[in-house]
This record gives sequence, C-alpha cells and structure tokens, in this order.
Amino acid sequence: QQQVKQSPQSLIVQKGGISIINCAYENTAFDYFPWYQQFPGKGPALLIAIRPDVSEKKEGRFTISFNKSAKQFSLHIMDSQPGDSATYFCAASINSGGYQKVTFGIGTKLQVIP
Amino acid sequence: NAGVTQTPKFQVLKTGQSMTLQCAQDMNHNSMYWYRQDPGMGLRLIYYSASEGTTDKGEVPNGYNVSRLNKREFSLRLESAAPSQTSVYFCASYAGRGATPYGYTFGSGTRLTVV
Repeated sequence: QQQVKQSPQSLIVQKGGISIINCAYENTAFDYFPWYQQFPGKGPALLIAIRPDVSEKKEGRFTISFNKSAKQFSLHIMDSQPGDSATYFCAASINSGGYQKVTFGIGTKLQVIP
Repeated sequence: NAGVTQTPKFQVLKTGQSMTLQCAQDMNHNSMYWYRQDPGMGLRLIYYSASEGTTDKGEVPNGYNVSRLNKREFSLRLESAAPSQTSVYFCASYAGRGATPYGYTFGSGTRLTVV
C-alpha cells in the first residue's frame, strides 16, 4: 500500500502562477518531510524539508505547509517559472541514528508554460 | 566533483543474465541506499546499508542482492534478470543527523532494460 499519497500526478501552470502539490501520509512515526526535485535524466535533489513540529517553511519561492492533525502537507511554488518544470516528489522519513529511511510519493510532473 | 557516482548509465540485458550495478560516494557518508524508479510508482527502496558492514531489505528486495564493499561503495546485483526489473535505478547516500543538506544525495541513475 502507498504510505505517502501524492496528487496530482501532472500539473500545468502558466508562468507567474502558483503551483500546488499535495501529499498525505498515514504513519505517525514519520519525523521528517522532504521534497525532492528531479530534472529529466538526473537524480532527485533535495529541495526543501520540514519537521512535523513546524506548520510552514519558506525558502525563496518554495513553501511547505504542514498540517499534523490532518497528516497532510503541500508544496507551493510561487511565481512559477519555466525552469521549475520538473518532477517533484514528496517524501516522509524515519530517522534512526545514522540512517534515514525515506518513503516517496509517486511524483508530480510539473510543466510551467510561458 | 564530490557526490555519488553510478555505473553504468545504460544497460540492456537479456532475461536470465546477471549484472552488478556499481555505486560509489566520496562524501564519507555512513549510509547508502538503492531505489528503483518506475512510472506511476515513484521511488521504491530496494536495499539499504545503515553503516559499513550492514545491509537490510527495503520495500522491494526480491530478485536483488547487495554488497557494502567498504564505506564508499555499495553495489546492487541482479542474479537472473527479469523483464519486471526494467527500471531506472538510483543510488543515494546520507550524511547523518545534523548534516547539511539533511537528506539524500542521489547519483544520476542507471537505466536498465531487460528484454
């Protein structure tokens, strides 16, 4: 079963618009929620992350909103640009000592059109 | 450049053939991971190594074996390849709690096709 549910699977946004990707999780043992960005032919790269004791984190045009009681979190990309066109994965992880087991959502392919 | 290096980048295998995917990191990270990426499935954990000398199964280990050769290298072996193993394979490493960035560093992937 899918431990991290992500939607939508694809998203088309006009340049300058807001891109919103939503995720939900079940396992309350998850203690870290990263987002990864992947360009074609490349490996995913860490974009932004949040801990469950924080409701919002902003880094430049990227914001994570986190609702612990609803077990939901979302990524907002403000003023979306064509260079943001990529696949975005939400994830949830359990951190145990020196390692981190990450469970990924299925990914959202974002296309920002001029 | 520091990072995670995967070889080969592309491979075509016939059903039943075996091969080893290589991964090496030069960041002195303790833990390493193998994921496979399939359309509509996201990234799924195959095996991981929390530290040198240890390995554990992930979500989809069947048909694979791993070896943590030393702290730098973590290989993934397909003993008898099947078409269902056609995928893009990613290796990742993780520095540990308190490190920056606090997440995985991924390699650029190996695209494997089994015919």
